[in-house]
Amino acid sequence: TQLLEQSPQFLSIQEGENLTVYCNSSSVFSSLQWYRQEPGEGPVLLVTVVTGGEVKKLKRLTFQFGDARKDSSLHITAAQTGDTGLYLCAGAIGNTPLVFGKGTRLSVIA
Amino acid sequence: EAGVVQSPRYKIIEKKQPVAFWCNPISGHNTLYWYRQNLGQGPELLIRYENEEAVDDSQLPKDRFSAERLKGVDSTLKIQPAELGDSAVYLCASSFYGSFGTQYFGPGTRLLVL
Repeated sequence: TQLLEQSPQFLSIQEGENLTVYCNSSSVFSSLQWYRQEPGEGPVLLVTVVTGGEVKKLKRLTFQFGDARKDSSLHITAAQTGDTGLYLCAGAIGNTPLVFGKGTRLSVIA
Repeated sequence: EAGVVQSPRYKIIEKKQPVAFWCNPISGHNTLYWYRQNLGQGPELLIRYENEEAVDDSQLPKDRFSAERLKGVDSTLKIQPAELGDSAVYLCASSFYGSFGTQYFGPGTRLLVL
Protein backbone atom coordinates (compact mmCIF):
# COMPACT_ATOMS: atom_id res chain seq x y z
CA THR A 1 0.00 0.00 0.00
CA GLN A 2 1.43 3.35 -1.08
CA LEU A 3 1.24 5.90 1.71
CA LEU A 4 1.38 8.83 -0.70
CA GLU A 5 -0.52 8.66 -3.96
CA GLN A 6 0.54 11.02 -6.70
CA SER A 7 -1.54 11.85 -9.75
CA PRO A 8 -1.36 11.89 -12.61
CA GLN A 9 1.51 9.46 -13.05
CA PHE A 10 2.42 10.97 -16.41
CA LEU A 11 1.61 14.35 -17.92
CA SER A 12 2.57 15.74 -21.31
CA ILE A 13 1.64 19.32 -22.14
CA GLN A 14 2.52 22.13 -24.51
CA GLU A 15 4.71 25.00 -23.45
CA GLY A 16 2.60 27.82 -22.01
CA GLU A 17 -0.14 25.63 -20.58
CA ASN A 18 -1.03 25.43 -16.90
CA LEU A 19 -1.08 22.21 -14.92
CA THR A 20 -1.76 20.84 -11.46
CA VAL A 21 -0.40 17.66 -9.91
CA TYR A 22 -1.65 16.10 -6.72
CA CYS A 23 -0.32 14.26 -3.71
CA ASN A 24 -2.88 12.48 -1.53
CA SER A 25 -2.85 10.33 1.59
CA SER A 26 -5.11 9.06 4.33
CA SER A 27 -2.41 9.96 6.86
CA VAL A 28 -1.82 13.30 8.54
CA PHE A 29 1.67 14.68 7.95
CA SER A 30 3.66 17.02 10.14
CA SER A 31 5.32 18.36 7.00
CA LEU A 32 5.29 17.71 3.30
CA GLN A 33 7.97 18.40 0.73
CA TRP A 34 8.02 18.65 -3.04
CA TYR A 35 11.10 17.69 -5.05
CA ARG A 36 11.98 17.81 -8.74
CA GLN A 37 14.27 15.17 -10.18
CA GLU A 38 15.86 15.44 -13.60
CA PRO A 39 17.23 12.42 -15.48
CA GLY A 40 20.54 11.21 -14.08
CA GLU A 41 20.32 13.44 -11.02
CA GLY A 42 19.08 13.20 -7.47
CA PRO A 43 15.90 14.93 -6.28
CA VAL A 44 16.17 18.64 -5.51
CA LEU A 45 13.97 20.16 -2.82
CA LEU A 46 11.51 22.79 -4.09
CA VAL A 47 9.48 23.58 -1.00
CA THR A 48 8.46 22.41 2.47
CA VAL A 49 4.95 23.04 3.81
CA VAL A 50 4.09 22.52 7.45
CA THR A 51 0.83 24.34 8.21
CA GLY A 52 -2.62 23.16 7.09
CA GLY A 53 -3.95 25.43 4.34
CA GLU A 54 -0.50 26.89 3.71
CA VAL A 55 0.21 28.25 0.23
CA LYS A 56 3.74 28.89 -1.00
CA LYS A 57 4.81 30.37 -4.30
CA LEU A 58 8.10 29.83 -6.08
CA LYS A 59 8.03 31.93 -9.26
CA ARG A 60 5.51 30.12 -11.52
CA LEU A 61 5.02 27.24 -9.05
CA THR A 62 2.30 27.36 -6.39
CA PHE A 63 2.22 24.76 -3.63
CA GLN A 64 -0.73 24.18 -1.33
CA PHE A 65 -0.99 22.02 1.76
CA GLY A 66 -4.47 20.73 2.52
CA ASP A 67 -6.31 22.03 5.58
CA ALA A 68 -6.19 18.57 7.18
CA ARG A 69 -2.51 18.12 6.22
CA LYS A 70 -3.33 14.94 4.28
CA ASP A 71 -2.85 16.23 0.76
CA SER A 72 -1.02 18.75 -1.33
CA SER A 73 -1.03 20.18 -4.81
CA LEU A 74 1.51 21.76 -7.10
CA HIS A 75 0.30 24.17 -9.76
CA ILE A 76 2.57 25.38 -12.55
CA THR A 77 1.55 28.43 -14.55
CA ALA A 78 2.71 28.85 -18.16
CA ALA A 79 4.87 25.74 -18.18
CA GLN A 80 8.29 25.90 -19.81
CA THR A 81 10.43 23.12 -21.27
CA GLY A 82 12.76 23.57 -18.30
CA ASP A 83 9.96 22.38 -16.01
CA THR A 84 10.27 18.88 -17.48
CA GLY A 85 11.14 16.31 -14.82
CA LEU A 86 9.85 13.96 -12.15
CA TYR A 87 7.94 15.74 -9.39
CA LEU A 88 8.02 13.88 -6.09
CA CYS A 89 6.11 14.62 -2.92
CA ALA A 90 7.43 13.34 0.40
CA GLY A 91 5.77 13.42 3.79
CA ALA A 92 7.04 13.21 7.33
CA ILE A 93 5.00 11.98 10.28
CA GLY A 94 6.53 13.13 13.53
CA ASN A 95 10.13 12.01 13.76
CA THR A 96 9.85 9.23 11.20
CA PRO A 97 11.86 9.36 7.97
CA LEU A 98 10.39 10.89 4.85
CA VAL A 99 8.10 8.71 2.76
CA PHE A 100 8.10 9.44 -0.96
CA GLY A 101 5.34 9.07 -3.50
CA LYS A 102 6.01 7.50 -6.89
CA GLY A 103 6.07 10.87 -8.59
CA THR A 104 4.49 12.59 -11.56
CA ARG A 105 6.60 12.57 -14.70
CA LEU A 106 6.04 15.87 -16.50
CA SER A 107 7.02 16.50 -20.09
CA VAL A 108 6.69 20.03 -21.46
CA ILE A 109 6.86 20.15 -25.24
CA ALA A 110 7.98 23.25 -27.13
CA GLU B 1 30.03 24.55 -1.44
CA ALA B 2 30.31 21.00 -2.76
CA GLY B 3 27.17 18.91 -2.78
CA VAL B 4 26.78 15.25 -1.95
CA VAL B 5 29.29 13.23 -3.94
CA GLN B 6 28.65 9.68 -5.03
CA SER B 7 30.74 7.19 -6.94
CA PRO B 8 30.68 5.42 -9.20
CA ARG B 9 27.92 7.03 -11.27
CA TYR B 10 27.25 3.83 -13.19
CA LYS B 11 28.01 0.19 -12.50
CA ILE B 12 27.27 -2.91 -14.53
CA ILE B 13 27.92 -6.28 -12.95
CA GLU B 14 26.88 -9.88 -13.35
CA LYS B 15 24.58 -11.45 -10.80
CA LYS B 16 26.24 -13.00 -7.77
CA GLN B 17 29.08 -10.48 -7.95
CA PRO B 18 29.73 -8.00 -5.12
CA VAL B 19 29.38 -4.26 -5.59
CA ALA B 20 30.04 -1.20 -3.42
CA PHE B 21 28.88 2.38 -3.57
CA TRP B 22 30.54 5.34 -1.91
CA CYS B 23 29.04 8.59 -0.60
CA ASN B 24 30.64 11.76 0.72
CA PRO B 25 27.99 13.97 2.35
CA ILE B 26 27.97 17.74 2.59
CA SER B 27 30.52 18.90 5.12
CA GLY B 28 29.01 19.24 8.58
CA HIS B 29 25.88 17.20 7.87
CA ASN B 30 25.52 14.67 10.67
CA THR B 31 22.71 12.68 9.10
CA LEU B 32 23.24 10.47 6.07
CA TYR B 33 20.68 8.44 4.16
CA TRP B 34 20.87 5.68 1.58
CA TYR B 35 17.85 5.28 -0.70
CA ARG B 36 17.01 2.89 -3.50
CA GLN B 37 14.96 4.18 -6.42
CA ASN B 38 13.50 1.63 -8.77
CA LEU B 39 12.42 2.61 -12.26
CA GLY B 40 9.20 4.61 -12.14
CA GLN B 41 9.18 4.80 -8.35
CA GLY B 42 10.08 7.28 -5.68
CA PRO B 43 13.12 6.78 -3.45
CA GLU B 44 12.77 4.21 -0.65
CA LEU B 45 14.88 4.53 2.46
CA LEU B 46 17.38 1.72 3.08
CA ILE B 47 19.29 3.08 6.06
CA ARG B 48 19.75 6.31 8.01
CA TYR B 49 22.81 7.29 10.02
CA GLU B 50 23.10 9.86 12.77
CA ASN B 51 26.85 10.46 12.83
CA GLU B 52 28.33 6.94 12.80
CA GLU B 53 25.28 5.21 14.28
CA ALA B 54 22.71 3.47 12.10
CA VAL B 55 19.41 4.62 13.65
CA ASP B 56 17.01 3.20 11.07
CA ASP B 57 17.94 0.16 8.99
CA SER B 58 14.60 -1.62 9.05
CA GLN B 59 14.30 -1.56 5.25
CA LEU B 60 17.84 -2.80 4.57
CA PRO B 61 17.90 -6.42 3.29
CA LYS B 62 20.50 -7.57 5.73
CA ASP B 63 21.16 -10.92 4.15
CA ARG B 64 22.99 -9.30 1.26
CA PHE B 65 23.23 -5.57 1.99
CA SER B 66 25.59 -3.91 4.42
CA ALA B 67 26.55 -0.33 5.12
CA GLU B 68 29.04 1.51 7.21
CA ARG B 69 29.85 5.09 8.10
CA LEU B 70 33.22 5.05 9.77
CA LYS B 71 34.09 8.27 11.61
CA GLY B 72 30.63 9.64 10.85
CA VAL B 73 31.57 11.17 7.49
CA ASP B 74 31.88 9.03 4.34
CA SER B 75 29.70 6.00 3.90
CA THR B 76 29.75 2.85 1.80
CA LEU B 77 26.87 0.61 0.83
CA LYS B 78 27.67 -2.93 -0.25
CA ILE B 79 25.69 -5.68 -1.92
CA GLN B 80 27.03 -9.22 -1.84
CA PRO B 81 25.97 -11.13 -3.82
CA ALA B 82 23.99 -8.95 -6.20
CA GLU B 83 20.74 -10.21 -7.70
CA LEU B 84 18.91 -9.16 -10.85
CA GLY B 85 16.28 -7.35 -8.77
CA ASP B 86 18.92 -5.10 -7.26
CA SER B 87 19.12 -3.11 -10.50
CA ALA B 88 18.13 0.42 -9.48
CA VAL B 89 19.51 3.87 -8.70
CA TYR B 90 21.11 4.10 -5.26
CA LEU B 91 20.84 7.62 -3.87
CA CYS B 92 22.72 9.10 -0.96
CA ALA B 93 21.42 12.17 0.88
CA SER B 94 22.55 14.18 3.87
CA SER B 95 21.04 16.73 6.23
CA PHE B 96 21.79 18.71 9.38
CA TYR B 97 18.97 17.75 11.68
CA GLY B 98 17.91 14.19 10.95
CA SER B 99 14.49 13.69 9.42
CA PHE B 100 13.49 17.30 10.12
CA GLY B 101 16.27 18.81 8.13
CA THR B 102 16.29 19.54 4.43
CA GLN B 103 17.79 16.55 2.65
CA TYR B 104 20.32 17.16 -0.10
CA PHE B 105 20.67 14.32 -2.58
CA GLY B 106 23.64 13.18 -4.56
CA PRO B 107 23.34 12.24 -8.25
CA GLY B 108 23.04 8.55 -7.46
CA THR B 109 24.73 5.38 -8.67
CA ARG B 110 22.87 3.58 -11.42
CA LEU B 111 23.34 -0.18 -10.97
CA LEU B 112 22.57 -2.74 -13.64
CA VAL B 113 22.81 -6.40 -12.70
CA LEU B 114 22.97 -8.78 -15.65
